[in-house]
Amino acid sequence: EDQVTQSPEALRLQEGESSSLNCSYTVSGLRGLFWYRQDPGKGPEFLFTLYSAGEEKEKERLKATLTKKESFLHITAPKPEDSATYLCAVQAGQGAQKLVFGQGTRLTINP
Amino acid sequence: NAGVTQTPKFQVLKTGQSMTLQCAQDMNHEYMSWYRQDPGMGLRLIHYSVGAGITDQGEVPNGYNVSRSTTEDFPLRLLSAAPSQTSVYFCASTPWSEAYEQYFGPGTRLTVT
Repeated sequence: EDQVTQSPEALRLQEGESSSLNCSYTVSGLRGLFWYRQDPGKGPEFLFTLYSAGEEKEKERLKATLTKKESFLHITAPKPEDSATYLCAVQAGQGAQKLVFGQGTRLTINP
Repeated sequence: NAGVTQTPKFQVLKTGQSMTLQCAQDMNHEYMSWYRQDPGMGLRLIHYSVGAGITDQGEVPNGYNVSRSTTEDFPLRLLSAAPSQTSVYFCASTPWSEAYEQYFGPGTRLTVT
């Protein structure tokens, strides 16, 4: 069964304190791994897609990396506006619609 | 563009009542899908559509119906609401050319008493 596990469930950092969020996955034939950001009371917002081990993507203070078993979302010198829940998802099986999501990591950046 | 819109934003139902959650997109996307989000469970796929007239079941389809008569609209029907359907529901759409980048609506918070 395809499965995605994110850790930690919640993370509290000081402004400027860099850290990483983890997404471990088990899927038969990974077609893509996705990161989304979700603010309270809103829908998820797409951040990155990673397709193969060794691939990296960057956007402002965020960098996503992928290995054969997990993905990391590195946050460098975060600011309070980076506070959100970060969701990881994998594409399972045929078709772009069959995404399996993890439970998310709730990130809080204190000023 | 308005993107993906959902109505209503909040809804309270009694057990056994039926209702339709509305979803519309103005980006001419072929793919649309419905998810529910529950605490500690992540987003789970209910139903999806790859184009007008074509729908399929996701991970948790029981108790829900969908239809897709136009490219723009993808309503979700609750046939006979149950407390287990209390959740936040998100609609998403995806362009064919970027099949994995899903655009989500703002969500509908449904409570069934």
